[in-house]
Amino acid sequence: DTGVSQNPRHKITKRGQNVTFRCDPISEHNRLYWYRQTLGQGPEFLTYFQNEAQLEKSRLLSDRFSAERPKGSFSTLEIQRTEQGDSAMYLCASSPASGGRYEQYFGPGTRLTVT
Amino acid sequence: AQRVTQPEKLLSVFKGAPVELKCNYSYSGSPELFWYVQYSRQRLQLLLRHISRESIKGFTADLNKGETSFHLKKPFAQEEDSAMYYCALGSTGTASKLTFGTGTRLQVTL
Repeated sequence: DTGVSQNPRHKITKRGQNVTFRCDPISEHNRLYWYRQTLGQGPEFLTYFQNEAQLEKSRLLSDRFSAERPKGSFSTLEIQRTEQGDSAMYLCASSPASGGRYEQYFGPGTRLTVT
Repeated sequence: AQRVTQPEKLLSVFKGAPVELKCNYSYSGSPELFWYVQYSRQRLQLLLRHISRESIKGFTADLNKGETSFHLKKPFAQEEDSAMYYCALGSTGTASKLTFGTGTRLQVTL
């Protein structure tokens, strides 16, 4: 499968714990996005990377959230001191450098449940 | 601020009936609009974009700037069209991020 992959697919954690998710984009895509989707809502933008540079962050991304893309390939999203409100599906997407910049290819998502 | 509104959470139609999924947007610049679809147990994928004026799987969508709408239409619904449909607005900033609506579930019944 050459699409976007995300790990883990599901994560259950207790409130206050830290969690980390990984996204592997399509290999030739230099743009990478993280979105969050809660029940009954569409995906909401969290942050954007172009290669290894994090160029934009949403106000939704509190200081408990941090994202990295160290070598411009895979990306990680870490949530520290999780809260029940963090329960959501976290989606990663990638797109190519040129042409269809809005044609974002989505991964299957990581479903986070905070108990 | 940019915003996308999909007023219907669920649209149920019979096979062979016409389909129209509504989408309205709010954006101060020149909009780029898209429809994404998520079939059961599959990932979110691009269905069509207004700029290409294409028809995908029989679906079309016309951008109406006067009414700020981008409704998705299909003349004859098929069972395999049953899915979650999201309208999305692309921003022209650095990120080219997408702002999604809340989605409409299309249910096509026999």
